[in-house]
Amino acid sequence: DAEITQSPRHKITETGRQVTLACHQTWNHNNMFWYRQDLGHGLRLIHYSYGVQDTNKGEVSDGYSVSRSNTEDLPLTLESAASSQTSVYFCASSESPRGGVPETQYFGPGTRLLVL
Amino acid sequence: QKEVEQDPGPLSVPEGAIVSLNCTYSNSAFQYFMWYRQYSRKGPELLMYTYSSGNKEDGRFTAQVDKSSKYISLFIRDSQPSDSATYLCAMTTNFGNEKLTFGTGTRLTIIP
Repeated sequence: DAEITQSPRHKITETGRQVTLACHQTWNHNNMFWYRQDLGHGLRLIHYSYGVQDTNKGEVSDGYSVSRSNTEDLPLTLESAASSQTSVYFCASSESPRGGVPETQYFGPGTRLLVL
Repeated sequence: QKEVEQDPGPLSVPEGAIVSLNCTYSNSAFQYFMWYRQYSRKGPELLMYTYSSGNKEDGRFTAQVDKSSKYISLFIRDSQPSDSATYLCAMTTNFGNEKLTFGTGTRLTIIP
């Protein structure tokens, strides 16, 4: 079955370290998204991509970067981890819109990141 | 002010009750409205989707959109313990813009 996976599921790191969170989907979706979820803020968009070599900044992109070298993967990198980046990170993917309606976003299981 | 406001709860109701979950929004350009359900330590999953104003029913779930009031609702009839989850509203503007704006989520517990 097609799916979207994230790794690692849990990560503890220290401030200042570079951290990369992996996201892999097997639906062949063009669109991929990274969100962070924090109490009181809900899901906030970090970066998104509409296809290979395409990346765009979301609402809370400072301190994060992504690259899209193939359809299946969109890794999220924290350049220099900060305690404010302690959060739960979700990756999502969706098909390109068809028929004039947005396509469903499918979410991964999440990565819990703790920055000490 | 956030673009989308949602009461975070928590909300606890007895099994069998009707549950009403709500969101308000400020951006009049929003046209597509979704409700996602998120179980504990899982990713959100799409529950229902509506376009513009009106109602949509799917089994025990009914989604309502009132664009004139910038207000959307999700009703759950005959609530079950398995409905216990966090419910997030989400919305976006015209098709082709795949960026969703989410509410903060309402944590719902159905008491057996």
